[in-house]
Amino acid sequence: NAGVMQNPRHLVRRRGQEARLRCSPMKGHSHVYWYRQLPEEGLKFMVYLQKENIIDESGMPKERFSAEFPKEGPSILRIQQVVRGDSAAYFCASSPLASREVGYTFGSGTRLTVV
Amino acid sequence: GNSVTQMEGPVTLSEEAFLTINCTYTATGYPSLFWYVQYPGEGLQLLLKATKADDKGSNKGFEATYRKETTSFHLEKGSVQVSDSAVYFCALTGRDDKIIFGKGTRLHILP
Repeated sequence: NAGVMQNPRHLVRRRGQEARLRCSPMKGHSHVYWYRQLPEEGLKFMVYLQKENIIDESGMPKERFSAEFPKEGPSILRIQQVVRGDSAAYFCASSPLASREVGYTFGSGTRLTVV
Repeated sequence: GNSVTQMEGPVTLSEEAFLTINCTYTATGYPSLFWYVQYPGEGLQLLLKATKADDKGSNKGFEATYRKETTSFHLEKGSVQVSDSAVYFCALTGRDDKIIFGKGTRLHILP
């Protein structure tokens, strides 16, 4: 029973390029969360999605960032026209239901470096 | 809004020492409380949780008790090992089901 799978593990992009980060939740999980971790800091909530729906995107920057979780396939976090400040580790978590008592399963993250 | 405050690190201890990492929270209602651990280069792993007042979460020798009167969820372990070296995050989920994390505490255990 595979856990939350994120790919790629490491991603290098030049300023102005696009970054696409993928997250496949655990089997049977229909809730996906994306978090960003800056060096030596905690994780900041970005967006919460269910299949085909964005439930809460209050942590997403208004420009250049978007997320989707289609009916088929992984969840995608997309960053357009990347800048140096986007360099961070991006973690995806999934849960089987919207239960605050469950605790979420996290992937190993994608470490984005913008050069 | 909801928030979590945990002691700043790094914390350096000798093997077999007693560990406490303090965590306090601010939340409306009755949040669920968690400790996550992050080993170098990896994602977060759920270490333990407590979902109501006076519950004690425990795992791998670590314990934390949900104290509503002091809004705290301090992490303790009686005898740490070198393999416990990691970053520890206190977290809560409230009514909106989002996890709110503390900034993390880096723990170094010396042999």
